[in-house]
Amino acid sequence: AQSVTQLGSHVSVSEGALVLLRCNYSSSVPPYLFWYVQYPNQGLQLLLKYTSAATLVKGINGFEAEFKKSETSFHLTKPSAHMSDAAEYFCAVSDRRSGNTPLVFGKGTRLSVIA
Amino acid sequence: KAGVTQTPRYLIKTRGQQVTLSCSPISGHRSVSWYQQTPGQGLQFLFEYFSETQRNKGNFPGRFSGRQFSNSRSEMNVSTLELGDSALYLCASSPAGPNYGYTFGSGTRLTVV
Repeated sequence: AQSVTQLGSHVSVSEGALVLLRCNYSSSVPPYLFWYVQYPNQGLQLLLKYTSAATLVKGINGFEAEFKKSETSFHLTKPSAHMSDAAEYFCAVSDRRSGNTPLVFGKGTRLSVIA
Repeated sequence: KAGVTQTPRYLIKTRGQQVTLSCSPISGHRSVSWYQQTPGQGLQFLFEYFSETQRNKGNFPGRFSGRQFSNSRSEMNVSTLELGDSALYLCASSPAGPNYGYTFGSGTRLTVV
């Protein structure tokens, strides 16, 4: 079964610093990969997705993620953190061999941004 | 265009009661999925409907059920509520399936007392 592991349930960075949120997947075949963000009392919003067209994926709000097959990773980065980036971030995986497999989400990483 | 609409936003129910939650997907989206979110378990998949048929089901007891109507709107029902059913219930729609990525609603916060 597909699974994702997000390292670090809570990450704290200073405003203007690099944001790095880690995600590793478990799958024998490179899956579809997604990053979502959730602000308090809201649903999840899609940041970006990897479908194999390019290993470096650019998303909304200045975020990007790089797919590394050798490391089974799909880490999310942003060069300069802004206060508005404080939220919970979820990595998710879907089996590309079946278009109907539900997304499996990681446990989430809460990002705090310190002024 | 309108996003995914979930109603109601908040609910308080008593143990043993039943509850129905509603979800209106983005126009043209035929796939609707439901997730339960709790602090301890995170996001857990409940079920997915596509063209009025349940296509996938998660590992939840039979007290959890759902359906989808011909206009793609979906409802989920929880019968004989338990305290542990307190959670944020999220609906997500997609054009044809999860691999396209989901658009989530704001969720229904259910509290069972």
